[in-house]
Amino acid sequence: AQSVTQLGSHVSVSEGALVLLRCNYSSSVPPYLFWYVQYPNQGLQLLLKYTTGATLVKGINGFEAEFKKSETSFHLTKPSAHMSDAAEYFCAVSRAVGTYKYIFGTGTRLKVLA
Amino acid sequence: DAGVTQSPTHLIKTRGQQVTLRCSPKSGHDTVSWYQQALGQGPQFIFQYYEEEERQRGNFPDRFSGHQFPNYSSELNVNALLLGDSALYLCASSWGQGATDTQYFGPGTRLTVL
Repeated sequence: AQSVTQLGSHVSVSEGALVLLRCNYSSSVPPYLFWYVQYPNQGLQLLLKYTTGATLVKGINGFEAEFKKSETSFHLTKPSAHMSDAAEYFCAVSRAVGTYKYIFGTGTRLKVLA
Repeated sequence: DAGVTQSPTHLIKTRGQQVTLRCSPKSGHDTVSWYQQALGQGPQFIFQYYEEEERQRGNFPDRFSGHQFPNYSSELNVNALLLGDSALYLCASSWGQGATDTQYFGPGTRLTVL
C-alpha cells in the first residue's frame, strides 16, 4: 500500500529564508509524486509533479522538489520565502497497481514571518 | 479556459438530511474524482467516475454515492448526514484512463452538518 508522511505540521520561516517542507513516501512500485498548495478557504493548486525522468522538478512560484528513491523522499524547497507563500502544503502519491486515487499527507502549514 | 467548478460554495444541513454537491470538470477532462477533507486533515479519496461509471471507491460507506453525466459533470450525494460528514468536499478532474493522470482540483464545497 502507498502512504505519505509529512514531517512537521507547522513550519515557520522568515521572509527571504529558505523554505524546506518534508515529504516521505512508501510505495511498492515507482511512484508518481505531487505537491499541492491550499490557500485559506480554497481548493488545491498543483505546484509540481514527478512522474519519470529528471529527479529535480521545478514548479510554479519558484518551488522545486527532488525525488530521492534511496531516501524515499520528495522534499519541497524554495530558496527565498515570500509572504504570499503562507499556506498549507500537501504532498501526494499515486500509481499503485489498480488504483486511481491520490493518497495525501496530512499537510504542512507554512507561516512566513516578516 | 475554465477550471474545475463546484456548487454550492457553502452548505448547511442538519443530521439525517440528504445533500447533493455538483462538479463541472476542466474543459477536455473526462474523469472526476471526489475527496473529503476534514478540518486539519489531508483530502481522503471517496470515489472516481469515468465513462459514467464508478471506477474506484475509497473507504466510505454506501451513504456516499455519485453520478457522472454524459457531459462529464458529476454529483456527489450523501444520505442520512452525520455530524462527522462536516468537511470540505473537493472535486478533481483529469483526462484519460491512466492512474497517474494529473488531477486538478476545484475550490470545494464546505458542508456543515448541525
